Amino acid sequence: KAGVTQTPRYLIKTRGQQVTLSCSPISGHRSVSWYQQTPGQGLQFLFEYFSETQRNKGNFPGRFSGRQFSNSRSEMNVSTLELGDSALYLCASSLLPGLADEQYFGPGTRLTVT
Amino acid sequence: AQSVSQHNHHVILSEAASLELGCNYSYGGTVNLFWYVQYPGQHLQLLLKYFSGDPLVKGIKGFEAEFIKSKFSFNLRKPSVQWSDTAEYFCAVNALSNQGGKLIFGQGTELSVKP
Repeated sequence: KAGVTQTPRYLIKTRGQQVTLSCSPISGHRSVSWYQQTPGQGLQFLFEYFSETQRNKGNFPGRFSGRQFSNSRSEMNVSTLELGDSALYLCASSLLPGLADEQYFGPGTRLTVT
Repeated sequence: AQSVSQHNHHVILSEAASLELGCNYSYGGTVNLFWYVQYPGQHLQLLLKYFSGDPLVKGIKGFEAEFIKSKFSFNLRKPSVQWSDTAEYFCAVNALSNQGGKLIFGQGTELSVKP
């Protein structure tokens, strides 16, 4: 069974631009969650989607948004990029919603904002 | 606000030494508890989890963890580490509420095992 895939793997953007990251969950998984990982703040929960609905959201500004499609693939978008948005963005999928199950993580997208 | 605290930022051990990594959380409600591991160059993967029942849970590769509710702790242990255990270890807590779950990670502990 293929794992969680994320595209692109690396991305360089300029401050003020916007970016869209993509995540394909493991086949059959309908829950997708997103995390931001930085050296200073560690791993922080962004949001979780299940059946195309956002179930929960972390403490991030409205510039961070996401969506999930009917095939469970998910995208997250960051608008008006700031230098502090430079991070590894991880996507994880699971069978059950509510994060009450094992999360299977992807390799991440490394975003650098200059 | 909910938080997870891992006591050690970097632990260095020799092979065959025993390991205990501390994890404490602050949340008064129902929780699910996890330990994840990230080996060099690999994805985060689950070591073990606690939902309910026996507070001593066993995971992969000889790891175990004990949930002590009164201490809000979920410490990870291994009796004898190997060089291949070199990795970063993350404690995570799913703080359950009627709004769903919210997975909160500790800052991580980097474990270096000397051969």
